Amino acid sequence: DTEVTQTPKHLVMGMTNKKSLKCEQHMGHRAMYWYKQKAKKPPELMFVYSYEKLSINESVPSRFSPECPNSSLLNLHLHALQPEDSALYLCASSLPGRSEAFFGQGTRLTVV
Amino acid sequence: AQKVTQAQTEISVVEKEDVTLDCVYETRDTTYYLFWYKQPPSGELVFLIRRNSFDEQNEISGRYSWNFQKSTSSFNFTITASQVVDSAVYFCALSEAQRGNQGGKLIFGQGTELSVKP
Repeated sequence: DTEVTQTPKHLVMGMTNKKSLKCEQHMGHRAMYWYKQKAKKPPELMFVYSYEKLSINESVPSRFSPECPNSSLLNLHLHALQPEDSALYLCASSLPGRSEAFFGQGTRLTVV
Repeated sequence: AQKVTQAQTEISVVEKEDVTLDCVYETRDTTYYLFWYKQPPSGELVFLIRRNSFDEQNEISGRYSWNFQKSTSSFNFTITASQVVDSAVYFCALSEAQRGNQGGKLIFGQGTELSVKP
């Protein structure tokens, strides 16, 4: 079983909705990540948090807003999304200074 | 710029066949890391192996083996005696050395979809 837990597993939202994706890990990792994966494509990095501070933002549109409330939790707040934002959103974590990331099962997001 | 190329988009084999997944990378860094991940239909990316640029020893783990050759910038993955449960998308990835405590960015190849038929 994965030690990175993401909720919900599936989400359908309208373009005017506000929703949040949640990610939790209890491995003591202090780096946490959001990746976006479109069908038949590799994951693409969105954000990196290191010690609860945003360290990398890959020029993601502001309709995606990450939050790291503590060392175990990572949220991704969604607002005014577009249908092209439909994808699998993967959360991952790693030890600081280590790049082998451990992934959750993802949230399959559909924007209608 | 960093880049990972997995030229094989799809591979289909019959159970018990051996199969090799190719990975070629590009980087200007002298210190870097290479990875393989498995993504079954459930969606989770499963970490298989990490190799640093100074360690060219091949590695074997059960039916899995990895061949790292810096001279050809390749990091190939072989599954021996494949099984139906090996069916998945396999991604090769590259990461540069971490600066301080910053998290690492993984650059993924396009993935190879492996189908193992009974």
